[in-house]
Amino acid sequence: AQSVTQLGSHVSVSEGALVLLRCNYSSSVPPYLFWYVQYPNQGLQLLLKYTTGATLVKGINGFEAEFKKSETSFHLTKPSAHMSDAAEYFCAVSANTGTASKLTFGTGTRLQVTL
Amino acid sequence: DTGVSQDPRHKITKRGQNVTFRCDPISEHNRLYWYRQTLGQGPEFLTYFQNEAQLEKSRLLSDRFSAERPKGSFSTLEIQRTEQGDSAMYLCASSLLGAGEAFGSGTRLTVV
Repeated sequence: AQSVTQLGSHVSVSEGALVLLRCNYSSSVPPYLFWYVQYPNQGLQLLLKYTTGATLVKGINGFEAEFKKSETSFHLTKPSAHMSDAAEYFCAVSANTGTASKLTFGTGTRLQVTL
Repeated sequence: DTGVSQDPRHKITKRGQNVTFRCDPISEHNRLYWYRQTLGQGPEFLTYFQNEAQLEKSRLLSDRFSAERPKGSFSTLEIQRTEQGDSAMYLCASSLLGAGEAFGSGTRLTVV
């Protein structure tokens, strides 16, 4: 069984400040990990993913995340927030069984960016 | 490659009516997924297909729900005798093995 916990349902940062969105996972098998962004009334857009190999993963729009197995974490960061980053962010996990399988999502973190 | 396409974008129906949604995946993707997302929650897995075979169904998928993917291309999700609790965003996604899923824009269902 797999689960995801996203700490903080709402995060507010100033424009230009560091963005840190927290994600912890639970998985009985090696995980694939994902971050998605969702804008209002839209589907989900993949920001980045970890499958195997390098634990620091770079994604689109300047985001990156680091897989820390010992901490069962996959936190999302961006050095400098932009107004356009305001959205809902979802962390997700799937089983690393050699093939992709269904995603299990966290409840999401709404990022607010203020001037 | 035009991405994952879902139709309709919005559907309002009366309680007890049947509704059907369509999803057209990215053409080379062999896996297709349906998820449901209610307000303030993350998407929840409903079912997925590899090619035309339906390989897994969630317990969330009651007997009133049925999904098909004839010929391994587009998919349909039908809800019979809709209930107010069925109101949600229904998301379709597709993928190649290990690639991560590409999502459509969703169909928002409102049952009145």
